[in-house]
Amino acid sequence: GEDVEQSLFLSVREGDSSVINCTYTDSSSTYLYWYKQEPGAGLQLLTYIFSNMDMKQDQRLTVLLNKKDKHLSLRIADTQTGDSAIYFCAYSGAGSYQLTFGKGTKLSVIP
Amino acid sequence: EPEVTQTPSHQVTQMGQEVILRCVPISNHLYFYWYRQILGQKVEFLVSFYNNEISEKSEIFDDQFSVERPDGSNFTLKIRSTKLEDSAMYFCASSGTDVEAFFGQGTRLTVV
Repeated sequence: GEDVEQSLFLSVREGDSSVINCTYTDSSSTYLYWYKQEPGAGLQLLTYIFSNMDMKQDQRLTVLLNKKDKHLSLRIADTQTGDSAIYFCAYSGAGSYQLTFGKGTKLSVIP
Repeated sequence: EPEVTQTPSHQVTQMGQEVILRCVPISNHLYFYWYRQILGQKVEFLVSFYNNEISEKSEIFDDQFSVERPDGSNFTLKIRSTKLEDSAMYFCASSGTDVEAFFGQGTRLTVV
């Protein structure tokens, strides 16, 4: 299977919370990341979490990490139309600089 | 806010030609990277560069590829003899530590 798996699509109504899920296989992952890609644009680093943490909150974003299940999630509170984008989960392994990405989840926000 | 800049934004080249993609990383960063994203697929790591040498590379980064930091500001990716399957969006990234990598807007390479 893939190193990083994500659902391909998620649709939510404006004002609702969005939860984007990701599972990964590498148990030696050190940092886990969420990147946002708007149409025609590059990758914007949203947030990251160190593997010995289980939660990180940053304004409307909450990252939850279940290391035992190798499951990472990104919750966006009060989702806005400007949050419509592709969200990539990624991790870096121990002693490695490279990021391994998932295929991305396309979030569509319905006004 | 400092950002990674890439030029050109779109490059069209004929198969077999050499192409150089250019990047200006964030000025005080020490780690530099190239990634690529074939249309509709995941972002893939190509190479990382630190202290004027390659620190890691993927199996994609074969002898057709090379990287260089020709001066204190630019970081380039050269593809010696382009193939149709090299068509992709190429992203440059840089980081001040090995934790937060900041990506440029990408160069769309089209090989015809």
